[in-house]
Amino acid sequence: DADVTQTPRNRITKTGKRIMLECSQTKGHDRMYWYRQDPGLGLRLIYYSFDVKDINKGEISDGYSVSRQAQAKFSLSLESAIPNQTALYFCATSESGQGQNEQFFGPGTRLTVL
Amino acid sequence: AQKITQTQPGMFVQEKEAVTLDCTYDTSDPSYGLFWYKQPSSGEMIFLIYQGSYDQQNATEGRYSLNFQKARKSANLVISASQLGDSAMYFCAMRVFNAGNMLTFGGGTRLMVKP
Repeated sequence: DADVTQTPRNRITKTGKRIMLECSQTKGHDRMYWYRQDPGLGLRLIYYSFDVKDINKGEISDGYSVSRQAQAKFSLSLESAIPNQTALYFCATSESGQGQNEQFFGPGTRLTVL
Repeated sequence: AQKITQTQPGMFVQEKEAVTLDCTYDTSDPSYGLFWYKQPSSGEMIFLIYQGSYDQQNATEGRYSLNFQKARKSANLVISASQLGDSAMYFCAMRVFNAGNMLTFGGGTRLMVKP
């Protein structure tokens, strides 16, 4: 079984709809992240959480909100989706502290907003 | 603010040859880590290799090595003996330990291995 899972894997929705993307992990990591990737570009950080009671905005948080329901679950919401939020969304996890602590990524959710 | 630059949008390499993917970074903080990730056409992000700013030796992981030149602020990925399965997007990323520990990504390089 995958260590970091995302649901749904693909979603097509209409402008103005509320969308929730979910992420679960079995790695036991405290830190979780949400990124978006636009075609031909690198990943940009939307929100991150260092533990259940910690939520922080990333580089591009406008139009998004998150909820850390448990250590293993971190969901991303688009309150009112717009077409320029069409992108590939990744959830990631990592251990705490400095050093290598590479991030482990989920398989991604491809979101299309019409 | 941290910045990662990958100047090669796309590259070709002949199968079995070595290839170098460039990455330069910008930070004034002395404590940081550099990462390379691979993204095949299937879309997942695969961690390849890590180099810490205080590491004395260049990192190696199988056919991957990181040519770390601290004074030049470069962290190039070298793939030896390229295989067809190496065709993918490659992303360089940096985390500054005293600045929130966030991972900043470059724009990526698409590598295409020719048979």
